[in-house]
Amino acid sequence: SQTIHQWPATLVQPVGSPLSLECTVEGTSNPNLYWYRQAAGRGLQLLFYSVGIGQISSEVPQNLSASRPQDRQFILSSKKLLLSDSGFYLCAWSVLGADTQYFGPGTRLTVL
Amino acid sequence: EDQVTQSPEALRLQEGESSSLNCSYTVSGLRGLFWYRQDPGKGPEFLFTLYSAGEEKEKERLKATLTKKESFLHITAPKPEDSATYLCAGGGAQKLVFGQGTRLTINP
Repeated sequence: SQTIHQWPATLVQPVGSPLSLECTVEGTSNPNLYWYRQAAGRGLQLLFYSVGIGQISSEVPQNLSASRPQDRQFILSSKKLLLSDSGFYLCAWSVLGADTQYFGPGTRLTVL
Repeated sequence: EDQVTQSPEALRLQEGESSSLNCSYTVSGLRGLFWYRQDPGKGPEFLFTLYSAGEEKEKERLKATLTKKESFLHITAPKPEDSATYLCAGGGAQKLVFGQGTRLTINP
């Protein structure tokens, strides 16, 4: 069966510091991968998605970036965090060509 | 603009009291309508995908239905463990538009 991991589970970072969140998927090959942010009391906002290694589509202009160095690894990064980057970051995957997305456990990021 | 709207924002029920959650959508190129359950501090858990008007899917006490403009999540004789936020999303082909969710509380 497929499993999706995210780490760290929680993170507290000062404004201006860098960020690296990691997501890995097990039990499937060539998945589509997604990064979402869920701000308090708000819906899920799609940040990036990837249909293959090195292929990244950005949905929202911001100071975040994403990379996919391996088939089942997706990384969310920032060079300098802003207060507004605080939120719950969720990674998701779907079977290539299918629509249903499956979510990971999430990372709670607090920027102080 | 693509939009998914859920109502009510919050709903409190007594154990055993059946009700329905609403999801209305205007999403261009809609391929499917998706329901998820999210517990506090956790990632959304997939429940259902509906693809065509008139389609229905069931899982335990939950039943999801779909019309051309709305979807309903019916909960029958709920239990306290059904308390969660229920999310609706429309889209497909790498892009899902999510509603704000309905926070459901079932009191024993």
